Amino acid sequence: AQKVTQAQTEISVVEKEDVTLDCVYETRDTTYYLFWYKQPPSGELVFLIRRNSFDEQNEISGRYSWNFQKSTSSFNFTITASQVVDSAVYFCALSERRYSTLTFGKGTMLLVSP
Amino acid sequence: NAGVTQTPKFQVLKTGQSMTLQCAQDMNHEYMSWYRQDPGMGLRLIHYSVGAGITDQGEVPNGYNVSRSTTEDFPLRLLSAAPSQTSVYFCASSYSGQGSDEQYFGPGTRLTVT
Repeated sequence: AQKVTQAQTEISVVEKEDVTLDCVYETRDTTYYLFWYKQPPSGELVFLIRRNSFDEQNEISGRYSWNFQKSTSSFNFTITASQVVDSAVYFCALSERRYSTLTFGKGTMLLVSP
Repeated sequence: NAGVTQTPKFQVLKTGQSMTLQCAQDMNHEYMSWYRQDPGMGLRLIHYSVGAGITDQGEVPNGYNVSRSTTEDFPLRLLSAAPSQTSVYFCASSYSGQGSDEQYFGPGTRLTVT
């Protein structure tokens, strides 16, 4: 069975600090996909990134970066120079090859204060 | 395109009442699914469908029924609501249902059962 663990329930930082959100996954498939979603206080789910299991290259998008390490089954998300607008719940999720059914972690609530 | 739409946005039910949460998508997606979100639990899969006429259970299917008579619609039925079904419900769709697909989420329905 697949599983996603986000050990950090809540993180509080001050604006401009860097913050890393951890995600550890378990799966028996050799082909799988990892996702990050953002849920702002308004409640909708915003897709941030998808990474497949064959692509361990780190990715950077503006202030966001993702570090995928198969050796430790981790897919961590870093926000550089955090802003108040980054305050949200962030979910890491996993799907296996055959179906796009997502297994979500429990989420990390990030609070960025001015 | 409207994307994935859900109605209603909010609903209050009494224990034992029945209702249907509506979900529709206009992207001609084959795969649709329902998740529930509870505090500290992340999102959990209720039911999913890989095409019209085909449905299957997810992680937490008890108390819910689904059917998929058209590609566009995937309603979720609560036959006899219970307080344990108080939650936020998200509908999602993806193009083919492959694990690599991005899932598009609706805005959610917040349900309270008293």
